[in-house]
Amino acid sequence: GENVEQHPSTLSVQEGDSAVIKCTYSDSASNYFPWYKQELGKRPQLIIDIRSNVGEKKDQRIAVTLNKTAKHFSLHITETQPEDSAVYFCAASIYQYGNKLVFGAGTILRVKS
Amino acid sequence: DVKVTQSSRYLVKRTGEKVFLECVQDMDHENMFWYRQDPGLGLRLIYFSYDVKMKEKGDIPEGYSVSREKKERFSLILESASTNQTSMYLCASVTPGGLNNEQFFGPGTRLTVL
Repeated sequence: GENVEQHPSTLSVQEGDSAVIKCTYSDSASNYFPWYKQELGKRPQLIIDIRSNVGEKKDQRIAVTLNKTAKHFSLHITETQPEDSAVYFCAASIYQYGNKLVFGAGTILRVKS
Repeated sequence: DVKVTQSSRYLVKRTGEKVFLECVQDMDHENMFWYRQDPGLGLRLIYFSYDVKMKEKGDIPEGYSVSREKKERFSLILESASTNQTSMYLCASVTPGGLNNEQFFGPGTRLTVL
């Protein structure tokens, strides 16, 4: 089955700096890659996603890149702010299988002001 | 606004007890999921359901069962709770194949088994 590895497990950055979180997946049939953000004590929420027919997607300060050949995708956050502090999860799925997601272990991002 | 609710935020049970966790969604979603969340392990899928009375095992189904008698409700059952089932349990729902693929999560139930 699919296996998703996520790095780093914790990341501390200074406010205003960029943050990059990387994930690799094992199943070449996976074609949908979402990122979820979970603030302390709250439920995970989708922040951005990408499908395998696209190499990059941006939404304001966040972007996701996908390298299908290397089976690797990354989340980029620019101009980080204290409210970006949270746990971030990447995930992968074979879209036609009813959105069954396999999640990475998560990255704790701390933005220091 | 999509609402996914779970029956309890916190639950304390004793080893060997039968435990029921309930999840209800109000957006007519076909697919529903139960995950457990443990530090350093991310969200791991226990069971999911893509229709009423239909269920499929996820990655860690041992020690759990589920029930989906109505479209809006998905229950997770711990037949005989054990201490290693102490965890945060999250329910989620989604309509597959649409433009919006977001899985909407409930607030979670923190279960402690003593």
